[in-house]
Amino acid sequence: QVQLVESGGGVVQPGRSLRLSCAASGFTFSSYAFHWVRQAPGKGLEWVAVIWYDGSEKYYADSVKGRFTISRDNSKKSLYLQMNSLRAEDTAVYYCARDVRGTEDYWGQGILVTVSS
Amino acid sequence: DIVMTQSPDSLAVSLGERVTINCKSSQRVLHSSTNKNYLAWFQQKPGQPPRLLMYWASYRESGVPDRFSGSGSGTDFTLTISSLQAEDVAVYYCQQSHSPPYTFGQGTKLEIK
Repeated sequence: QVQLVESGGGVVQPGRSLRLSCAASGFTFSSYAFHWVRQAPGKGLEWVAVIWYDGSEKYYADSVKGRFTISRDNSKKSLYLQMNSLRAEDTAVYYCARDVRGTEDYWGQGILVTVSS
Repeated sequence: DIVMTQSPDSLAVSLGERVTINCKSSQRVLHSSTNKNYLAWFQQKPGQPPRLLMYWASYRESGVPDRFSGSGSGTDFTLTISSLQAEDVAVYYCQQSHSPPYTFGQGTKLEIK
């Protein structure tokens, strides 16, 4: 069955960096685009970034553009989110999600990132 | 960027009653190449990731009960639950994937009256 498992979260100081990973299984990873979506505590969903199936195109939310980088390694069936210059407002649960028909059909359980001194 | 606005922010409905949630986009989300509206609906229960309910505005995802339906085109969309069940208590979000950034609505919290 389709599984997406995020890792790499934790507590980090403002201005520092963190890299999230998302390990995929149960389907042909290289055939799909992927998204990162986040949710601040008690708040709504915020779309973060998308990467095409072959990595050829990437798009970002304005709030993270220039600080976050989405990438993938199809040989490892893994998706990544490199987060630099972290701010308190980046504190959230981060979800990776598979793209089908232009929308997110399968989601991971999410990983918490806390930016605090 | 396309702004998505949902209404209402919250609502309380009796079991068995009809539920309507609205979503308005600031620009059309119809893709001319596919003639599909790139509008999705998600359900999120506490402590869980979102679950895809509807895609292309009116196509029900596999496994979603048929009491859920979606409609609309252009800039105005609706999610309808024909007969509210207790397990439908959740927050519902619309999202456009017509053009990045793929923005979500602010969410609508659905409770039982």
